[in-house]
Amino acid sequence: DGGITQSPKYLFRKEGQNVTLSCEQNLNHDAMYWYRQDPGQGLRLIYYSQIVNDFQKGDIAEGYSVSREKKESFPLTVTSAQKNPTAFYLCASTPGVGGYEQYFGPGTRLTVT
Amino acid sequence: KNQVEQSPQSLIILEGKNCTLQCNYTVSPFSNLRWYKQDTGRGPVSLTIMTFSENTKSNGRYTATLDADTKQSSLHITASQLSDSASYICVVSANNNNDMRFGAGTRLTVKP
Repeated sequence: DGGITQSPKYLFRKEGQNVTLSCEQNLNHDAMYWYRQDPGQGLRLIYYSQIVNDFQKGDIAEGYSVSREKKESFPLTVTSAQKNPTAFYLCASTPGVGGYEQYFGPGTRLTVT
Repeated sequence: KNQVEQSPQSLIILEGKNCTLQCNYTVSPFSNLRWYKQDTGRGPVSLTIMTFSENTKSNGRYTATLDADTKQSSLHITASQLSDSASYICVVSANNNNDMRFGAGTRLTVKP
């Protein structure tokens, strides 16, 4: 998983609760990404950050929030506003922008009931 | 409509056999195309990357092809092994690489 860790691997929450997923990398990469993976669909970009203290919305940012206070860390908060939060969440990083391979973490499976 | 379409959706083959997975895309302007292998419950791992000028690239038993004119790519796996059982995802990037489009993947099962 190339120096990217995500925790926990499995997470269970009750509907209406916010939950934060952790993503840490020790690759000294500038850019970090959050994706959501659902069965039968390609990965969809939630948020990405090209540099510390900066982040941009992806295709499906509604109901999610992020922060990038440190280069190594890019936590994702799934808020109660997210209508269908149960999914597999993947974090990735690249050295910068422009043609680099993405290194993915092992993922977090979130189940909201 | 997804800009990256993969086929088949799933595939079952016997150990030792070869197989070919397909990826058609409409992403433009094209920058590069990657094939990833994703084991169940894990993050994807890159197998190959192909740029506009490359037609074929191999990585061990994996060989990727790219036809930029028809916007098609294939991933050929030779002499399959049980450990090849995974999802194979095609990812096409536009010029800035922050516009990456993911296919839904092909689920390959290799049986003994």
